[in-house]
Amino acid sequence: GENVEQHPSTLSVQEGDSAVIKCTYSDSASNYFPWYKQELGKRPQLIIDIRSNVGEKKDQRIAVTLNKTAKHFSLHITETQPEDSAVYFCAASRGNEKLTFGTGTRLTIIP
Amino acid sequence: NAGVTQTPKFRVLKTGQSMTLLCAQDMNHEYMYWYRQDPGMGLRLIHYSVGEGTTAKGEVPDGYNVSRLKKQNFLLGLESAAPSQTSVYFCASWASEVNEQFFGPGTRLTVL
Repeated sequence: GENVEQHPSTLSVQEGDSAVIKCTYSDSASNYFPWYKQELGKRPQLIIDIRSNVGEKKDQRIAVTLNKTAKHFSLHITETQPEDSAVYFCAASRGNEKLTFGTGTRLTIIP
Repeated sequence: NAGVTQTPKFRVLKTGQSMTLLCAQDMNHEYMYWYRQDPGMGLRLIHYSVGEGTTAKGEVPDGYNVSRLKKQNFLLGLESAAPSQTSVYFCASWASEVNEQFFGPGTRLTVL
């Protein structure tokens, strides 16, 4: 089955700086890669996703890049703000049926 | 439109007791999922369903059973709870038209 590795497990950045979280996947047939944000005590919520026919996708301050050859994808958050502090999860799936999640990155924005 | 709801929100069990967690969605989604979330281990899929009357095993199915008798409900059962099942359980449903899994608020289960 699919295996998704996520790094780093914790990340602290100064407010206004950029944050990058990286994930690798094992199944070359995976074609859907979402990112979820989970605030403390809350449910995970989708923030951005990308499909394997696209190399990069942006939505305001967040972007995701995908390198199919190397089987890795990354989340980029620019101009970080205190409300960006949360745990972020990457995931991968072949089609849409089942997601395999990474182990999460706890992002802390330092004011 | 309540989205995905879970019952109960919290529960404490003794080893060997049984219980059922209820997930309900009012969005007419075909796919539903049960995950467990443990510190440092992300979200792991327990069981899932691709439609009413169907269920399938996920990554960590042992010790759990599920049923999907109605399209809007997905039940997760623990027949004989063990301390290793202490976790936060999330239900989710899939919206194919927008390519997104919607999660419920979670159930925090402690097994003593």
